[in-house]
Amino acid sequence: EIVLTQSPGTVSMSPGESATLSCRASQSVSSNYLAWYQQQPGQAPRLLIYGASVRETGIPARFSGSGSGTDFTLTISRLEPEDFAVYYCHQYGDSNTFGGGTKVEIK
Amino acid sequence: QVLLQGSGPGLVKPSETLSLTCTVSGVSISTYYWSWVRQPPGKGLEWIGYVHYTGTTNYNPSLKSRVTISVDTSQNQFSLNLRSVTAADTAVYYCASTAGYCARTKCFTFQFGMWGQGTVVPVSS
Repeated sequence: EIVLTQSPGTVSMSPGESATLSCRASQSVSSNYLAWYQQQPGQAPRLLIYGASVRETGIPARFSGSGSGTDFTLTISRLEPEDFAVYYCHQYGDSNTFGGGTKVEIK
Repeated sequence: QVLLQGSGPGLVKPSETLSLTCTVSGVSISTYYWSWVRQPPGKGLEWIGYVHYTGTTNYNPSLKSRVTISVDTSQNQFSLNLRSVTAADTAVYYCASTAGYCARTKCFTFQFGMWGQGTVVPVSS
């Protein structure tokens, strides 16, 4: 099983700042099959990025994904108030596993 | 507009079977693969398994011995049965869609594009 480790666990930011979230895999993710989701309290996750860097339809351009192999990053440029949430990475190259999540909170 | 609506009992007793159904509207259930994902209170996400309209299934190895996911194409629904539950199975259960394909003897699925609203299932006596 591929284990995904997300860091940091929590990050405190101010609106307008940029956030960089990390997702590290215990082994290489096949074909960069790595997705990112945003989850607001009490809501279902929402797909942001798939294929490591492809933005889902309707997702603002301030969300970008990068990386390959075992190291992946989600960058949120110029944080908006609605971006404060928990973010999960998900690999689907070998079955399905999720990272433990990163909470982006308001400083 | 595609909607996934999960439903099931609000409480399950330990050792019993948890049964949930997800009703899909706005798209034929033959279009995608259909998964269940759960989230214990205050914790992260765990994939449970998926089903295809052909009946093909794949399960998380850690739950495989207790899980059955099935599909009812006439109702555009798919269902989850989780047997012998304990308090550790208390979670919000989400149904979700994913694209995928099968080649020879192996199937491949992708990101979870659409999600249901989640069904809270406490396990308690």
